[in-house]
Amino acid sequence: KQEVTQIPAALSVPEGENLVLNCSFTDSAIYNLQWFRQDPGKGLTSLLLIQSSQREQTSGRLNASLDKSSGRSTLYIAASQPGDSATYLCAVRLWGNNRLAFGKGNQVVVIP
Amino acid sequence: ETGVTQSPTHLIKTRGQQVTLRCSSQSGHNTVSWYQQALGQGPQFIFQYYREEENGRGNFPPRFSGLQFPNYSSELNVNALELDDSALYLCASTLTTDPSTDTQYFGPGTRLTVL
Repeated sequence: KQEVTQIPAALSVPEGENLVLNCSFTDSAIYNLQWFRQDPGKGLTSLLLIQSSQREQTSGRLNASLDKSSGRSTLYIAASQPGDSATYLCAVRLWGNNRLAFGKGNQVVVIP
Repeated sequence: ETGVTQSPTHLIKTRGQQVTLRCSSQSGHNTVSWYQQALGQGPQFIFQYYREEENGRGNFPPRFSGLQFPNYSSELNVNALELDDSALYLCASTLTTDPSTDTQYFGPGTRLTVL
């Protein structure tokens, strides 16, 4: 069974600092890994999707890396803004099925 | 805006009752998945439907059932509600025949409270 862990569970940073969020998974036979953003009580917004053959993906201030051999992914958010305050979820899809295994999330607060 | 809608937004039920939650997927998306997200937890996979057939199920009892319709809408039915069923229920659609993009598009969720 795929276990996904996200560390830290919660963090606060001053505006302008870079954010580093970590995700680890136990089964390296992944098809892809996806990072989502979730605002309180809301649905999930897909931020980045990394295929198993890729090492990283970038979108604007966001960069996600993937190291399958060590079972880790890192989401970097450059120059954080108060609008980045949200919970960030990492989800892994294994080969052969379309279900996602989620971590519990990193709850981020960016202090103005 | 993902193009996936869910109804209702919020729902309050009492223990033992039955509930139906609805999801409307993006046009052309042939796969819909349902997830349960308890407070402070990550979403847990309930089941998936592909071309109107169940295509995988998570660790949920049979009182959780679903349907997918040809018009890309789907339903999640829960019988004999329990207090622990209180959660945010999310549906997600994807176009399975395009694995190169294969992004799961999530709806805004339905918040179910069981009293």
